[in-house]
Amino acid sequence: AQSVTQPDIHITVSEGASLELRCNYSYGATPYLFWYVQSPGQGLQLLLKYFSGDTLVQGIKGFEAEFKRSQSSFNLRKPSVHWSDAAEYFCAVGELQNTDKLIFGTGTRLQVFP
Amino acid sequence: DTEVTQTPKHLVMGMTNKKSLKCEQHMGHRAMYWYKQKAKKPPELMFVYSYEKLSINESVPSRFSPECPNSSLLNLHLHALQPEDSALYLCASGQMNTEAFFGQGTRLTVV
Repeated sequence: AQSVTQPDIHITVSEGASLELRCNYSYGATPYLFWYVQSPGQGLQLLLKYFSGDTLVQGIKGFEAEFKRSQSSFNLRKPSVHWSDAAEYFCAVGELQNTDKLIFGTGTRLQVFP
Repeated sequence: DTEVTQTPKHLVMGMTNKKSLKCEQHMGHRAMYWYKQKAKKPPELMFVYSYEKLSINESVPSRFSPECPNSSLLNLHLHALQPEDSALYLCASGQMNTEAFFGQGTRLTVV
């Protein structure tokens, strides 16, 4: 079965510092990969997605992610974090047999200090 | 219009009550979803409707009853819930092989 692992439960960075959130997936084929962000008590907002093609994808709010097949990873990056980026970040993969079904990682909570 | 709208935003209900959560999208998406999210956990899929037909039911208890009256609307009828059903209920919509767009959720408290 497909699975998604986010190894870091909680990350703290200073405002202006760079950020990398890790995501590893278990999958038998090229997956559909997503990063979502969730502020407390809110819904999920899509940051970016990867389906095929260029392995470096650009998203909203200055985020990017790189698909690395050899490492089964889809890490999220941002060169300079803003205080408003503090939120929960979820990596997700579309299930092979049914792409309507998203499998979410357990999430990484990002805290930003001034 | 790129929004998924959920009502109400907050709901408190007793264990003997009947209530409904509503979700609406006007993006022409053919799939609509209900997710349940407990605190500090990822969303868990409950139901998927594809072309107004129930295509996935993730073994959800019968006290949760989904309904898709048309391609833009999705309801979740609630009856005889338990306190452990308290959670954030998220609606989403999407097309096949693309991303899902989420609403802001309904915060449900069962007392």
